[in-house]
Amino acid sequence: EAQVTQNPRYLITVTGKKLTVTCSQNMNHEYMSWYRQDPGLGLRQIYYSMNVEVTDKGDVPEGYKVSRKEKRNFPLILESPSPNQTSLYFCASSRPRGGSYNEQFFGPGTRLTVL
Amino acid sequence: DQQVKQNSPSLSVQEGRISILNCDYTNSMFDYFLWYKKYPAEGPTFLISISSIKDKNEDGRFTVFLNKSAKHLSLHIVPSQPGDSAVYFCAAIPPGNTPLVFGKGTRLSVIA
Repeated sequence: EAQVTQNPRYLITVTGKKLTVTCSQNMNHEYMSWYRQDPGLGLRQIYYSMNVEVTDKGDVPEGYKVSRKEKRNFPLILESPSPNQTSLYFCASSRPRGGSYNEQFFGPGTRLTVL
Repeated sequence: DQQVKQNSPSLSVQEGRISILNCDYTNSMFDYFLWYKKYPAEGPTFLISISSIKDKNEDGRFTVFLNKSAKHLSLHIVPSQPGDSAVYFCAAIPPGNTPLVFGKGTRLSVIA
């Protein structure tokens, strides 16, 4: 089954304790991205990656890191989480651009609470 | 500066009636528009799209209309069903290798 998986689905942590949220897709998509969803703010992009070893900042990259060492994986790293990073996070992937639209496939979400 | 705006945070519609969700955009260079649907505790799922060279695209109960001169698109759901209750996001694709731009979403409630 074609899908985007994220782990963990729920996480409660404390300020300053480094954490990683994993994202994996099995559709051989070049493009992957991370979003956060907050009430009244919709979906805001954190980072995206056009291909392996190619990453770029989205709208709200502060406090986050990503890496793209393999095509299928795109982990989101919070080196020193803070309470304002409490949010619902989504990973997404899609085919590359080029003549056709890039419908993104989203993972199920990770609800993060930073105390 | 929001490039894609969904000005109605919520909408309530009776079952069987038409639901109309609106979206405005500012960038005339957007070349594709998409609608996503999101249920609680799930990721958004793609619903329907439209190319900027078209003014209408229909898929079953869902129709998207694009008015380029007004920089406006709308999603029509006819007839609305309780299972359509969800948050709907409008999104636009800029030219080149730049990311999708999302609106803030509209929560649709279909009342039985």
